[in-house]
Amino acid sequence: GENVEQHPSTLSVQEGDSAVIKCTYSDSASNYFPWYKQELGKRPQLIIDIRSNVGEKKDQRIAVTLNKTAKHFSLHITETQPEDSAVYFCAASLSRASKIIFGSGTRLSIRP
Amino acid sequence: GAVVSQHPSWVICKSGTSVKIECRSLDFQATTMFWYRQFPKQSLMLMATSNEGSKATYEQGVEKDKFLINHASLTLSTLTVTSAHPEDSSFYICSARTGTSYEQYFGPGTRLTVT
Repeated sequence: GENVEQHPSTLSVQEGDSAVIKCTYSDSASNYFPWYKQELGKRPQLIIDIRSNVGEKKDQRIAVTLNKTAKHFSLHITETQPEDSAVYFCAASLSRASKIIFGSGTRLSIRP
Repeated sequence: GAVVSQHPSWVICKSGTSVKIECRSLDFQATTMFWYRQFPKQSLMLMATSNEGSKATYEQGVEKDKFLINHASLTLSTLTVTSAHPEDSSFYICSARTGTSYEQYFGPGTRLTVT
């Protein structure tokens, strides 16, 4: 089955700097890659997603890139702010009807 | 739109008893619902996938006789933890999908504590 690996497990960046989180997936048939932000005790919140027919997608300070050949995708957060501090999860899915498999998570801390 | 609720938000039960958690899609019909378990500082681990009117598909290592899942309608799925033990204490989160969207909509989670 699908396996998603995520790095780093923790990341601390200075406020205003950029943060990058990387993930790899194992099943080349996966075609949907969402990213979630989860605050303590809360539900995961979808922040951006990308389909396999797209190489890059951007939404304000957040961008995701996908390299299908290498089977890896990355989350980029620019101009980080204190409210970006949270745990971020990447995930992968085969289709609309398929389960979503989560990466292990990255705890992002923004230093003031 | 696309709101998913869970009830209860937290529950404490004694070892050996059973507890039921409800997951409802409030404004859409969920053809597929998923149940996850999340231990502190860990990722979401998929327990099972359920489709309305069908038996749930459990992930490897998840005891289907212990974690009973029912998806009786397009808006309701339930997870019953039977004969709960302290090691079952966790954060249980459901999610739901429509048949036309890739996106999953998550419930707020239920924190289960077994004493």
